[in-house]
Amino acid sequence: QPQLQESGPGLVKPSETLSLTCTVSGGSISSSSYYWGWIRQPPGKGLEWIGSIYYSGSTYYNPSLKSRVSISVDTSKNQLSLKLSSVTAADTAVYYCARHPYPPGVGTGFYDYWGQGTLVTVSS
Amino acid sequence: EIVLTQSPGTLSLSPGEGATLSCRASQSVSSSYLAWYQQKPGQAPRLLIYGASSRATGIPDRFSGSGSGTDFTLTISRLEPEDFAVFYCQQYGSSPLTFGGGTKVEIK
Repeated sequence: QPQLQESGPGLVKPSETLSLTCTVSGGSISSSSYYWGWIRQPPGKGLEWIGSIYYSGSTYYNPSLKSRVSISVDTSKNQLSLKLSSVTAADTAVYYCARHPYPPGVGTGFYDYWGQGTLVTVSS
Repeated sequence: EIVLTQSPGTLSLSPGEGATLSCRASQSVSSSYLAWYQQKPGQAPRLLIYGASSRATGIPDRFSGSGSGTDFTLTISRLEPEDFAVFYCQQYGSSPLTFGGGTKVEIK
């Protein structure tokens, strides 16, 4: 079974860009059977889908974040990355990377494996 | 965007009792593409149910899902001590994927 591990700065200043990496082990990110996604959870609150990517590079974003989000994949390193620009305190959250099987949906699905999550705080 | 409303917000029950959690969608969820997750403090969500009623690998059969269209239910037949947690529903029938606000099942 795959293991996913998020990494990146735990503190980001307002207006800067949040950058996180998710390293996948125990499985190939290049598999045609899966999409890979980012989900976040503000402290004490619910879950919010950020976006998904296929190994080919096709991306699907939440419209509420689309203007600030970029998700990419590096198949040589078995990693996916998240960039969120112009962050504010509202972007403070635990950020999870996760996998969803394909099918059923193109860019949409249920998440069967998750990373442990990484807390990113936006503060000066 | 499909809005998912979960009820009740909190359920106070004793081990051995049954639990019924509701997830209502603002519009029909296509193909019953509805999943349920369990989340314990400090942990990532764990997939319990997908396709409204299919149990994920390794999930005990005391967890069951049902429903279609706009109304879905997660049932826990007999609560074990390790079941107390927050439960989320998620629809993946249309983009953007959305989650419900969660139901906390706490020990009475």
